[in-house]
Amino acid sequence: NAGVTQTPKFRILKIGQSMTLQCAQDMNHNYMYWYRQDPGMGLKLIYYSVGAGITDKGEVPNGYNVSRSTTEDFPLRLELAAPSQTSVYFCASSYSMTDSPLHFGNGTRLTVT
Amino acid sequence: AQSVAQPEDQVNVAEGNPLTVKCTYSVSGNPYLFWYVQYPNRGLQFLLKYITGDNLVKGSYGFEAEFNKSQTSFHLKKPSALVSDSALYFCAVRDMNHYGGSQGNLIFGKGTKLSVKP
Repeated sequence: NAGVTQTPKFRILKIGQSMTLQCAQDMNHNYMYWYRQDPGMGLKLIYYSVGAGITDKGEVPNGYNVSRSTTEDFPLRLELAAPSQTSVYFCASSYSMTDSPLHFGNGTRLTVT
Repeated sequence: AQSVAQPEDQVNVAEGNPLTVKCTYSVSGNPYLFWYVQYPNRGLQFLLKYITGDNLVKGSYGFEAEFNKSQTSFHLKKPSALVSDSALYFCAVRDMNHYGGSQGNLIFGKGTKLSVKP
């Protein structure tokens, strides 16, 4: 049982480049999330999805886009990368948005130079 | 607005001693509370949760947490620390009265680094 799988694990981008962070889950969870983690700042929610075809902004959505064409996949798109987007990105999924815990992937470490 | 505070950036304990990692929260309604642990270069792993019922909840790896409504706290505890417990610990809260929509999302604290020395 793979759980939540994120690719790539590491990536270095130049300013202005674009990329897509991939996330897939095999638990048939309707709810999926993208967080960024910066040192000493905890996790901040970027975007979330309550099911295929439905996405919504979180706390820090600027500079990012998402899509959810299937239950399994929830890619995060960075357009025109900026140094402020240097961070560790985590994808997560959950059975519900109430009392179910989140299941996290192992993260993507992104550096923008 | 919902918020979570972890007042200690780092907690140091000796192996075999009891440990406490503190968490306080602020929500407008009743809280759903969670603790997660993060080991280096890994994602967060769920430890335990409080939804309702007994104020003392037990979780994975011998951890437990005590919900205190009057003090709006949810401190993580373990009777006897292990070196392998050294990791980053996150407290998180969700407002039960706002599930669904952006207000139903989990709010994470900034994390507390636990260091257990032999």
